[in-house]
Formats: sequence, structure tokens, C-alpha cells
Amino acid sequence: DAGITQSPRYKITETGRQVTLMCHQTWSHSYMFWYRQDLGHGLRLIYYSAAADITDKGEVPDGYVVSRSKTENFPLTLESATRSQTSVYFCASATDRANSPLHFGNGTRLTVT
Amino acid sequence: AQSVSQHNHHVILSEAASLELGCNYSYGGTVNLFWYVQYPGQHLQLLLKYFSGDPLVKGIKGFEAEFIKSKFSFNLRKPSVQWSDTAEYFCAVNGGGLNSGNTPLVFGKGTRLSVIA
Repeated sequence: DAGITQSPRYKITETGRQVTLMCHQTWSHSYMFWYRQDLGHGLRLIYYSAAADITDKGEVPDGYVVSRSKTENFPLTLESATRSQTSVYFCASATDRANSPLHFGNGTRLTVT
Repeated sequence: AQSVSQHNHHVILSEAASLELGCNYSYGGTVNLFWYVQYPGQHLQLLLKYFSGDPLVKGIKGFEAEFIKSKFSFNLRKPSVQWSDTAEYFCAVNGGGLNSGNTPLVFGKGTRLSVIA
């Protein structure tokens, strides 16, 4: 079934460790996005990508790295995890039209201890 | 910069009550407006969207929203809520007309709706 999948669903890691969250979509959508969801803040954009090898910072990019070597994959890496990065992370994809709705993955709940 | 304000943090309603959730945005150009719903433990799903034409848009599950350009508002409504509408609701906006490229959505902080029997 076509869709957008995130892995892992849950992750617990220690402060200072590197963590990579995976996102894969089967629609061949041009755009992909990473948001984090925190109580009281709603969803905040971390990074997005308009196409393979094109990425841009969002509202809260510090401490995160992304890559997009293939259209279907958009991994998010926390280079050295901090407790403030404990959150639920959502990946989403969309076509290249301004009014295209986002299609969200099921999220990754990350806890940094 | 674009911003979205959702006035209510938490709304509690009885079943069959009418619902209106406020959303105001700040953006100077052509806008595309969205409402998303997040049921407990799930990801966000599109409820409805507006990008042009009739300012009253109808979405899934009996929801509708009205775009009032002069008020920079896009309020969500439902005449009669059900227990299953218990969820978090997010308003979102991006800029650009029909022939514009995609720009990231800016989300409001969300409104939690609790419907009690």
C-alpha cells in the first residue's frame, strides 16, 4: 500500500548519542518535511526538501541534520541528542503545488534521557 | 513571517453541541488554508482546505470552514459534534496561488476538543 512510513515508532536514547529517524514515501512526492510536535507549541518545522539534494532549514533546525539523496527517503539525524529534543517527530510529503495537502507519517516518539 | 493563531487551547463540549474553533492568520499575499485533525495516538489527517473559489468549504465528517479575507480568519465549524470528534485540531497556512510552487505550512498551536457524553 502506498504511503509514508517512519521508523522507528519509539526510540529512547541517551544524551550525546547520535540518532537517525527514517522516513520513506512511495508517492514520488517532490516535497518532504520534518516537524516536531511539542505540547504548547503545536507543530514546528525542522527541515524540508523540495527535491533530491535540495534541503532548507525550517523554524527550529539547530541540532538536526537532513539529507535527501533519493526522492523517496528523507532521514533526520540528531548529531548529539539533548533532552530538549525529546518530542514526537512527524515526517510529511506533498506535491510541488502550493495548495497541496501534507500527507503525514505515523510519527516517531523520541525520548532523550 | 507567516503566523497562525488558534484562540482556544482546550474546548469541552457535550455531544450534539455546535462547534466553532477560531483561526486567524498573518500573511500578506495569496493564502492556502488547511484544517488538520489528530485523533489520539494518530498522525495528522486533512479535514479540509481552501485555496480559491467559494469561501465556505466543506470537509470530511460534517466539518466546514469559512474563509473571511477581511478578518484573516478561517474558522472551523460543525453543527453537532459526536464523541468520536474528540481530537486535536490544527489550522495551517501557506502562501502561493494555483501556479505557485509549494511552501512549508505554518501551523497553529492546536485546539484540543473533548466531547463528553
